[in-house]
Amino acid sequence: DQQVKQNSPSLSVQEGRISILNCDYTNSMFDYFLWYKKYPAEGPTFLISISSIKDKNEDGRFTVFLNKSAKHLSLHIVPSQPGDSAVYFCAAVSNAGGTSYGKLTFGQGTILTVHP
Amino acid sequence: NAGVMQNPRHLVRRRGQEARLRCSPMKGHSHVYWYRQLPEEGLKFMVYLQKENIIDESGMPKERFSAEFPKEGPSILRIQQVVRGDSAAYFCASSPALLGELFFGEGSRLTVL
Repeated sequence: DQQVKQNSPSLSVQEGRISILNCDYTNSMFDYFLWYKKYPAEGPTFLISISSIKDKNEDGRFTVFLNKSAKHLSLHIVPSQPGDSAVYFCAAVSNAGGTSYGKLTFGQGTILTVHP
Repeated sequence: NAGVMQNPRHLVRRRGQEARLRCSPMKGHSHVYWYRQLPEEGLKFMVYLQKENIIDESGMPKERFSAEFPKEGPSILRIQQVVRGDSAAYFCASSPALLGELFFGEGSRLTVL
């Protein structure tokens, strides 16, 4: 049962343009969402997150949008740079009852390639 | 401040052998998580440990897999009698607090022949 889905296995973008990575979830208990970036042979590194009480969070070139009614979130990278080429994972967690911790549910990942 | 250290980075085992993967969390971090990534899939939660305690092992296969985080030394993920389906990347993450950000290690890649 795939509770977090990234339906696009790959995305190719020209340098300077916007990259939009999408993520859908099915579990309505999820209330905190994160994006991780992963280079080959390395571990994931945290990129940006958003709480379910917000619909947008911005950090430099990275913005995450959350549409709770559609159970959909997206990561926008603008402008895209060749160094952004990596695998991007969407992840979600439920903090319900205050008993949550780092038990993340990850999507399958989207390979982003930014061409110079 | 060194990051999360995992070793070995690569491990090759034959079916039926044992695999031991080690994880040293970041300094000051007492919360450790193990995740597994099968080929073409995302990371899947396996177990959450604090020093000397297993807090949540709901993602661990019921047999052959065990994890510990002793008072002294690294956390160990142990896989007994490995099978080909155990071939995966195993990632350890640590956190300074219960709801803190996770910092991942570079992973241990297990190949079962």
